[in-house]
Amino acid sequence: GDSVTQTEGQVALSEEDFLTIHCNYSASGYPALFWYVQYPGEGPQFLFRASRDKEKGSSRGFEATYDKGTTSFHLRKASVQESDSAVYYCALALTNSAGNKLTFGIGTRVLVRP
Amino acid sequence: EAAVTQSPRNKVAVTGGKVTLSCNQTNNHNNMYWYRQDTGHGLRLIHYSYGAGSTEKGDIPDGYKASRPSQENFSLILELATPSQTSVYFCASGGGASAETLYFGSGTRLTVL
Repeated sequence: GDSVTQTEGQVALSEEDFLTIHCNYSASGYPALFWYVQYPGEGPQFLFRASRDKEKGSSRGFEATYDKGTTSFHLRKASVQESDSAVYYCALALTNSAGNKLTFGIGTRVLVRP
Repeated sequence: EAAVTQSPRNKVAVTGGKVTLSCNQTNNHNNMYWYRQDTGHGLRLIHYSYGAGSTEKGDIPDGYKASRPSQENFSLILELATPSQTSVYFCASGGGASAETLYFGSGTRLTVL
């Protein structure tokens, strides 16, 4: 079945550090790829998406580029702030479905120290 | 701003009891989803719906039923709760377009003793 792999379970950083969270996917078709962010006590919220090869998604200083060749959608931010502490989820959905049955990775907890 | 409201926020149930988790959305979205969140598993899809009167099985439907009596409401039902169903449950809605954005509620923390 379709799946998403996030290799980092937890990342600890200091403010202004560079953040990378690795996301690789396996899918039977040509999926749309997403990043969602979840702050403590809240539900996940959409960060951005990309729907085709080489497309870059971005929001709030975060970005990721859809790479069909390496089946990856790695999340990056050049300079993190304490407010970026959250859990980040990579997800995929097959674009020809009637709805978005999102398949999520296990999430990466990011802790940014002041 | 999309609004998805879940109730209750916290629930303690006994093994073998019936539990109903409720979700209401005011976005007039066609699609609604129930996920559970567990450490080491991320978010997993239990049931979903494409509109009033419809329910579909997700990836882990065993032990759960769903009901969509109206566009706005989507319930998750545990007829015979078990401790393995202790988790945080999230409801979400989406407009039904390809690569739609999902809007999540704040979750229900369920503990089954």
